[in-house]
This record gives sequence, structure tokens and C-alpha cells, in this order.
Amino acid sequence: DIQMTQSPSTLSASVGDRVTITCRASESVSNALAWYQQKPGKVPKLLIYKATTLETGVPSRFSGSGSGSEFTLTISSLQPDDFATYSCQQHIRYPRTFGQGTKVEI
Amino acid sequence: EVQLVESGGALVQPGGSLRLSCGASGFSLSTYWMSWLRQAPGKRLEWVATINQDGTEKYYVDSVEGRFAISRDNAKNSLYLQMNSLRAEDSAVYYCARDRSGVEEYWGQGTLVTVSS
Repeated sequence: DIQMTQSPSTLSASVGDRVTITCRASESVSNALAWYQQKPGKVPKLLIYKATTLETGVPSRFSGSGSGSEFTLTISSLQPDDFATYSCQQHIRYPRTFGQGTKVEI
Repeated sequence: EVQLVESGGALVQPGGSLRLSCGASGFSLSTYWMSWLRQAPGKRLEWVATINQDGTEKYYVDSVEGRFAISRDNAKNSLYLQMNSLRAEDSAVYYCARDRSGVEEYWGQGTLVTVSS
């Protein structure tokens, strides 16, 4: 199975900060990488797919980069609504696997 | 509007069985691959199973292979997950999701499965 590892696990930041989360795969997943946002008690929301493509309706302050085995999710200017847990997922091969999540907190 | 509504979660004893259902509305189920995912409290999201449009292709995470079965009834716009030989480690919120090229673009609200004596 492809192992997905995110860093950091927790990130403390302030409104307006630039935030970067890293996701590493145990082997290349090409660009088959998605990012999800999840707030406590809520359903995961797709933010980015194909490593860099923003899902419709997602604010442009979110961006994704990378290919192969190293990826980043960047929030250019953190907003109050962005405090949540972010998870990466590879879907190049079954089983699809997720990172452990990065909690962005105040 | 796309809506996915799961049902069937319950408290069940180890070794027991449960059938989860997911009702879809706002789109034609027959057009999409569909998946089940789960999340135990404080744990990472876990993909469980995926089924293609006509049910001829099914994929499972190793830990449920042979115990769980994903199926669908396109005429009823419904997705199912039959879970047998349940274990404590199967306890989680189970989500159904609509697939788009391997990513989960729409998620239901989830249904809670608790396996405990």
C-alpha cells in the first residue's frame, strides 16, 4: 500500500498568515493527489484534485503543488473559516490512502 | 442539488452484521462510480470500497475484503455496504461518496457504526 505522511500534524497560525502543509507519498503517485478540508463534526470537502487543480467554488487563496511523491497545500492568507484539518489522498492505486491530517489551529 | 444520505448505522456486537444504505438524489447514480469511506474517532480518513457504474468492478481495502460487500441498485438510486463479521476496529462514521476520477467530490453526512459488546 502507498503510505501518505503529512507534516506538520498540527500547525498554529494567525489570520493573514501564509500556511504550507506537506504531504509525502511512499512512492510516486504522479499527480493523483487530492486535498480535503474537514471541520470538527463535519463532512470532508474536496479542495484540490490532480495535485494542483482547484475544485469549483474553492477560494483562490488555496493552491496545490507538487508531483511524484512530494506535494504541498498552501493557503496564501489564512482566514477564520480556514481553521480545520487538511488531509491528502492518493488515488493512483487501490487502496486509496489518506494522510493522517494536519490540524490548522489558532 | 447533489445529496447523499446514509442510513443503517447502529450498535452491533462483535461478529454481527449490518447493512448500510446510501440514498442519492440530484443526479443519476448510474453515471458515477461510488465509494464508502470511514473515519474512527481521532483517526485518519480511510477508504473502504469502490464500485463502478454497473457494479461489475469492486475494490476493497484489505482489512474488509471477504467481510464487506459493496453493491448498488441504480433503479432505486441507492448504494449499499453489507458488513459481516464485524470487529471493534470497524467502529467508525461511514460515509458514502460520489467519485470523480478517483477523488470523492460529494460526501454524505455519515452514519455511525459502533461494534461493542
